[in-house]
Amino acid sequence: DVKVTQSSRYLVKRTGEKVFLECVQDMDHENMFWYRQDPGLGLRLIYFSYDVKMKEKGDIPEGYSVSREKKERFSLILESASTNQTSMYLCASSSQGALGKNIQYFGAGTRLSVL
Amino acid sequence: SQELEQSPQSLIVQEGKNLTINCTSSKTLYGLYWYKQKYGEGLIFLMMLQKGGEEKSHEKITAKLDEKKQQSSLHITASQPSHAGIYLCGAAHYNNNDMRFGAGTRLTVKP
Repeated sequence: DVKVTQSSRYLVKRTGEKVFLECVQDMDHENMFWYRQDPGLGLRLIYFSYDVKMKEKGDIPEGYSVSREKKERFSLILESASTNQTSMYLCASSSQGALGKNIQYFGAGTRLSVL
Repeated sequence: SQELEQSPQSLIVQEGKNLTINCTSSKTLYGLYWYKQKYGEGLIFLMMLQKGGEEKSHEKITAKLDEKKQQSSLHITASQPSHAGIYLCGAAHYNNNDMRFGAGTRLTVKP
């Protein structure tokens, strides 16, 4: 079974703090993704990576950065947390495959509250 | 507007009833994925549809893809409380990294 593990289920941080969200997958997947999920807005892509040290901006990259130093690990960084970054953060991974054949597997999510 | 529209946004059904959730894309579909999410948790992959007319089933859940209408439907037969959760559709439009998700349909099954 594919396993995508997010380091924390719940996090509470203060405005202005630097926050690290970690994600590890054990299936040797090339692609990794970070989404945030907000009520009524669904999942929105923040960043993705298709290889080590590679990253691409998604729809809402502002206020976030990412790091992928190893294939299995993809980190999301909030440089200076703000209250509007309070959200559910979901990590996913997938293999490189033909178009339309790329199942993304998700972690359990991290619910971040910024006070 | 979202690229993927799901309807209804929420659904409350009595246990044992059938139900259908729809997902419509405003762009050409190259793959349509259905996921289920329990409240506060991650997404669990249910099914993937690629070709027009394709239909897949998993236990009492059936999904179909209408390529011409750029639409997919998820049908649950004889619903059970274990079916409760949020159902999301996801679609690949241009490439495998350009996947988009609908806002989700929240399903409640009353015993």
